[in-house]
Amino acid sequence: GENVEQHPSTLSVQEGDSAVIKCTYSDSASNYFPWYKQELGKRPQLIIDIRSNVGEKKDQRIAVTLNKTAKHFSLHITETQPEDSAVYFCAASKGYQKVTFGIGTKLQVIP
Amino acid sequence: DAGITQSPRYKITETGRQVTLMCHQTWSHSYMFWYRQDLGHGLRLIYYSAAADITDKGEVPDGYVVSRSKTENFPLTLESATRSQTSVYFCASRQADSPLHFGNGTRLTVT
Repeated sequence: GENVEQHPSTLSVQEGDSAVIKCTYSDSASNYFPWYKQELGKRPQLIIDIRSNVGEKKDQRIAVTLNKTAKHFSLHITETQPEDSAVYFCAASKGYQKVTFGIGTKLQVIP
Repeated sequence: DAGITQSPRYKITETGRQVTLMCHQTWSHSYMFWYRQDLGHGLRLIYYSAAADITDKGEVPDGYVVSRSKTENFPLTLESATRSQTSVYFCASRQADSPLHFGNGTRLTVT
């Protein structure tokens, strides 16, 4: 089955700096890659996703890049703010089936 | 999103007891999932369902039972709870080619 590896497990950045979280996946047939943000005590919520026919996608301060050849995808957050502090999960999915998650990255933005 | 609800939010039970976690969605999504969240493991898939009366095992199905007699409900039963099943359980749903939506979670403690 699919295996998603995510790193780093923790990340501290100064407010205003950029944060990058990287993931790799094992199944070359995976074609959908969402990213979720989970605040303390809350449910995971989708922040951005990308499909395999696209190399990059942006939404304001958030961007995701996908390298299908290397089976890598990354989340980039620019101009970080304290409210960006949370746990971020990458995930991979093949078609409409189950979504496999990475172990999460705890991001701390220091004011 | 009020469209997917889990109950109870918190549950304490004893080792060996049977406990059922409920999940209800109002979107008529075909696909439903149960994940458990543990520190250091991220979100791991327990069971999923592609439609009523169709269920399949995920990554960590041992000790759990599911059913899906109606599209909107997907209960998860721990037949004989063990301490290792202490976790936060998330139900999720998606329609074909749409993002995964999570419920608010159930925090289960097995004593």
